[in-house]
Amino acid sequence: TQLLEQSPQFLSIQEGENLTVYCNSSSVFSSLQWYRQEPGEGPVLLVTVVTGGEVKKLKRLTFQFGDARKDSSLHITAAQPGDTGLYLCAGGHPNFGNEKLTFGTGTRLTIIP
Amino acid sequence: GAVVSQHPSWVICKSGTSVKIECRSLDFQATTMFWYRQFPKQSLMLMATSNEGSKATYEQGVEKDKFLINHASLTLSTLTVTSAHPEDSSFYICSARGQGSAGELFFGEGSRLTVL
Repeated sequence: TQLLEQSPQFLSIQEGENLTVYCNSSSVFSSLQWYRQEPGEGPVLLVTVVTGGEVKKLKRLTFQFGDARKDSSLHITAAQPGDTGLYLCAGGHPNFGNEKLTFGTGTRLTIIP
Repeated sequence: GAVVSQHPSWVICKSGTSVKIECRSLDFQATTMFWYRQFPKQSLMLMATSNEGSKATYEQGVEKDKFLINHASLTLSTLTVTSAHPEDSSFYICSARGQGSAGELFFGEGSRLTVL
């Protein structure tokens, strides 16, 4: 069974601060996706990383896939209240890709104005 | 981007009744849809893979007779929770694979089921 542990589980910081969310596993994934989920809604895809060591930037968000494709991180600079939400990483199965997505345990982020 | 819609958004039912949740891909055809379950403050757990025109594939521990899945067309999959009980109360989310976009998954808005 593939497991993805996210840390921290909860994070509450002031607007303008920087933060990093980690997504770790002992398993290898074909890809790693990051989602943000608002209360009462479905997850929305932020980014997909596929290659080990890959770094992608989306405005103030920087995503990195570990060299061994077992872990990932999400770094947010100058956090804003609009960044508040549940952040989920999800790994694609080595053999089935997105057919078998394993979701991480989640990080609930609160940005205080 | 592609749109996936679920209906109803929320439903309250009495214990013992059955509830059907629909998942529609509005602007693309999806041969494969996925159903997830999410408990409060927890992550998503894949329940089953819904394949158009064939039987769904259920994850280990998910009762197929309890959670009936039908994928009768390329734009619609349904999840029926049969003889619902309070422990079935949860947030149910579907997703569908988009076309021509490296297998990106698009998620529905979710359906919150409360069984009294």
